[in-house]
Amino acid sequence: SQQGEEDPQALSIQEGENATMNCSYKTSINNLQWYRQNSGRGLVHLILIRSNEREKHSGRLRVTLDTSKKSSSLLITASQAADTASYFCATDTGNQFYFGTGTSLTVIP
Amino acid sequence: GAVVSQHPSWVICKSGTSVKIECRSLDFQATTMFWYRQFPKQSLMLMATSNEGSKATYEQGVEKDKFLINHASLTLSTLTVTSAHPEDSSFYICSVLNTWTSGGPGDTQYFGPGTRLTVL
Repeated sequence: SQQGEEDPQALSIQEGENATMNCSYKTSINNLQWYRQNSGRGLVHLILIRSNEREKHSGRLRVTLDTSKKSSSLLITASQAADTASYFCATDTGNQFYFGTGTSLTVIP
Repeated sequence: GAVVSQHPSWVICKSGTSVKIECRSLDFQATTMFWYRQFPKQSLMLMATSNEGSKATYEQGVEKDKFLINHASLTLSTLTVTSAHPEDSSFYICSVLNTWTSGGPGDTQYFGPGTRLTVL
């Protein structure tokens, strides 16, 4: 199965701390994407990183990709209460698009 | 998991015409559905949140008069691309929010198979 697995499943941190979540996958990909889902809301795209890229930044977000290990990480720095949400990675193989199982992040004010 | 259907699966239309895409929840009543679009090798981009019995909530940068959403029943939401142009060619995907699990992080969404729109 290509389905991504995310680790940890749930994460609870204090506001201001950094949050790191990981995504592993099984086959070659064209790109990997991270999404956020707030309660009752749709998926919101955060970052897309291509297979030939190793790191990307967007504001307080940093994404790394290690294709040799078939893994990616999402780092949220200086977390805020508004960052409380579920975070999903998605892998695009060119033919298919797979979502991971998600990490539920709770940022405590 | 829940079954979500979309119709049509693929449509080709002439520039200037309007195209209606249907999203149906076959297993349960859905008060909330989402519409996304995806360009080749790009991310899913949330377009709007469709709420049964009320106006849709559009994401920033999405023209509400261009992409008309109607959610008249608990099992059907429609997206109409009005006066379509070639740049509207994309893959449109709907999803249904499972209200049984809503109310907290990790709400379950079930995606439809998508509709490929090609505007000539």
